[in-house]
Amino acid sequence: QSVLTQPPSASGTPGQRVTISCSGSSSNIGSNTVNWYQQLPGTAPKLLIYWNNQRPSGVPDRFSASKSGTSASLAISGLQSEDEADYYCETWDDSLHGYVVFGGGTKLTVL
Amino acid sequence: QLQLQESGPGLVKPSETLSLTCTVSGGSIGSSSYYWTWLRQPPGKGLEWIGNIYYSGNTYYYPSLKSRVTISVGTSKKKFSLTLSSVTAADTAVYYCARRRGESSSGYIDYWGQGTLVTVSS
Repeated sequence: QSVLTQPPSASGTPGQRVTISCSGSSSNIGSNTVNWYQQLPGTAPKLLIYWNNQRPSGVPDRFSASKSGTSASLAISGLQSEDEADYYCETWDDSLHGYVVFGGGTKLTVL
Repeated sequence: QLQLQESGPGLVKPSETLSLTCTVSGGSIGSSSYYWTWLRQPPGKGLEWIGNIYYSGNTYYYPSLKSRVTISVGTSKKKFSLTLSSVTAADTAVYYCARRRGESSSGYIDYWGQGTLVTVSS
């Protein structure tokens, strides 16, 4: 059971816009920044979004994200076949002595 | 360009200790503002943070693993290691080393190793 809750799956057709949600609590998303990672099949995860809505160099502006209260979301516009991957949200949780928490991941299928 | 590479046994017997090393090239563990991190991903499942170590030696561990985990830095400042004791089949996973940049509350993982599969089986 992951601390952050993501839908297990999402899908869309090429060109569409899809969103992936990430729900947490006051001790994690509510008080810390959220990051998103993309994991293509058989590869290590890759940083997609950091500090809630910042894109690293090289990440297309089709990818955007936002945070509100204890939830965050990732949006992918102009969906492409190469976007088919697993997506994970991540943040710091202030409970106990503090630790990194992930969502369970969302498998995005491009139909 | 920073690169990280995991190494260690791919097969560990139940109740024994898992030991992995991450070799860092293109940079040094001695730099401030970075936390050197271990994560894992059981087959077909999601990511789980194991813990990390700061260049000063301060460590932070996932609560449910804390009693079994040790992360340390080598004297060369080019390697850091993970040991996980009393392993069971539930510890079978791809293990990743990574660099987490920034303070805890606002940090993010900007570099990942390729991962290494460790299977716990007799």
